[in-house]
Amino acid sequence: GAVVSQHPSRVICKSGTSVKIECRSLDFQATTMFWYRQFPKKSLMLMATSNEGSKATYEQGVEKDKFLINHASLTLSTLTVTSAHPEDSSFYICSALLEVGREQYFGPGTRLTVT
Amino acid sequence: GDSVTQMEGPVTLSEEAFLTINCTYTATGYPSLFWYVQYPGEGLQLLLKATKADDKGSNKGFEATYRKETTSFHLEKGSVQVSDSAVYFCALAPRTGANNLFFGTGTRLTVIP
Repeated sequence: GAVVSQHPSRVICKSGTSVKIECRSLDFQATTMFWYRQFPKKSLMLMATSNEGSKATYEQGVEKDKFLINHASLTLSTLTVTSAHPEDSSFYICSALLEVGREQYFGPGTRLTVT
Repeated sequence: GDSVTQMEGPVTLSEEAFLTINCTYTATGYPSLFWYVQYPGEGLQLLLKATKADDKGSNKGFEATYRKETTSFHLEKGSVQVSDSAVYFCALAPRTGANNLFFGTGTRLTVIP
């Protein structure tokens, strides 16, 4: 099946700094990518939908100025957590969509820890 | 709103045991239902799906039947293997073809030899 990678797999940063997470579709072009967040023992929560060449659509309650999403090409979307705080510590997962209405392919996730 | 409630784990079974992971859903329309599996260090992979009531999804020996009367989509396998050890997620799409997915909390399965 299609492969989606995320980098880094794990990152620790200090409070107040920003951190960027990359999501790449390795063997297909993805017009749409999704960003999810997972808290311990909780569901994956959709944060935003990212379409190549346009602004991301954020879910209710997600701060777009804090979680900056850029979908610069058909194979790359980035999530930047700005001015990170300990409560932003979480597991962030991206997925990529080959075609509308078809299967999403998920990345392995990035564990962010803010100290 | 739409949501999924999934049996909490972890679940530990001996090889060849029977597996059931419960999943129930709440939806306002006619959702599609999914089971995803995540092996260590890898992304979620679609295991099986069902798009309408009474449909049965199956793959790799796993099965789940879309039960509208009980709003359930329980995952079953008759004889688990060590290689089935993973985290299993039940998910819902509000309608067939919708891209937004609502996930359960995941159930970690460990199969011991």
